[in-house]
Amino acid sequence: QVQLQESGPGLVKPSETLSLTCTISGGSFSSYYWTWIRQSPGKGLEWIGYVYHSGSTNYNPSFRSRVTISVDTSKNQFSLTLNSVTAADTAVYYCARVRRREMDYWGQGALVTVSS
Amino acid sequence: EIALTQSPGTLSLSPGERATLSCRANQSITSSYLAWYQQIPGQAPRLLIYSASSRATGVPDRFSGSGSGTDFTLTISRLEPEDTAVFFCQHYGTSVLTFGGGTKVEIK
Repeated sequence: QVQLQESGPGLVKPSETLSLTCTISGGSFSSYYWTWIRQSPGKGLEWIGYVYHSGSTNYNPSFRSRVTISVDTSKNQFSLTLNSVTAADTAVYYCARVRRREMDYWGQGALVTVSS
Repeated sequence: EIALTQSPGTLSLSPGERATLSCRANQSITSSYLAWYQQIPGQAPRLLIYSASSRATGVPDRFSGSGSGTDFTLTISRLEPEDTAVFFCQHYGTSVLTFGGGTKVEIK
C-alpha cells in the first residue's frame, strides 16, 4: 500500500520560506508525477505544482515566481519550497501521487500557519 | 484556461435518496481528463472517479460518473450517512491541474 507523509514546520513567519517534504513508502517512486496541493481554511483545493521522478517540474502560474518542487530519489522524497509567504499562504498542504491525470494517493496533509 | 464550476453549493438529502452533482467546464474538455474526489471533514481527498466514469479501486458502485464535453455529473444512487462530505471535480489540462469549488453533501 502506497503511503505519503508530509513533514515540516507548522509555523512560518511572514516574508520567510515555507518548506515541506513528502516521504513515499510502499510503492515505486519512479514512473510517476508527484504533486503539491493546498487548501486554505474552509476553502477549496489549489494545485501548486508537480515534479516527475526525473526532476522535471511544472508549476501553477499563480505560484511560479516563488515556488520550487524538487525530488530526492535516494530517499523516496519530494519537497516544496515557497518563498516570501504571507498570511494568505496559511493552509493545509497535501502531497499526492499523480497516476495518469488524477491523484490516487494522498498524504494526510500538513497545516502550515503563516504568522509572526 | 479551463475553469470548473460545481453546483449546487450544498445538497441536503435524506439517506437512501439520490444525489446528483454537477461539474461544468467553461470549454469542452476530454472526458479522460476529468476526475471526482470525496473529502470527508478532517481528511484528505479520496479519488472516487477518473476518466469521467471509471470508479477507483474500492469505491462502492452507488457512486457513478458520467458526462462529456462541458457537462459532467457525479451521481450517488442511494445516500448513506457516511457520504457526508465535500465532493470536488478536477481537470488535468495542458500541464495544469484545476479543481472545481466543491459541492457539500449533507445527510439529513
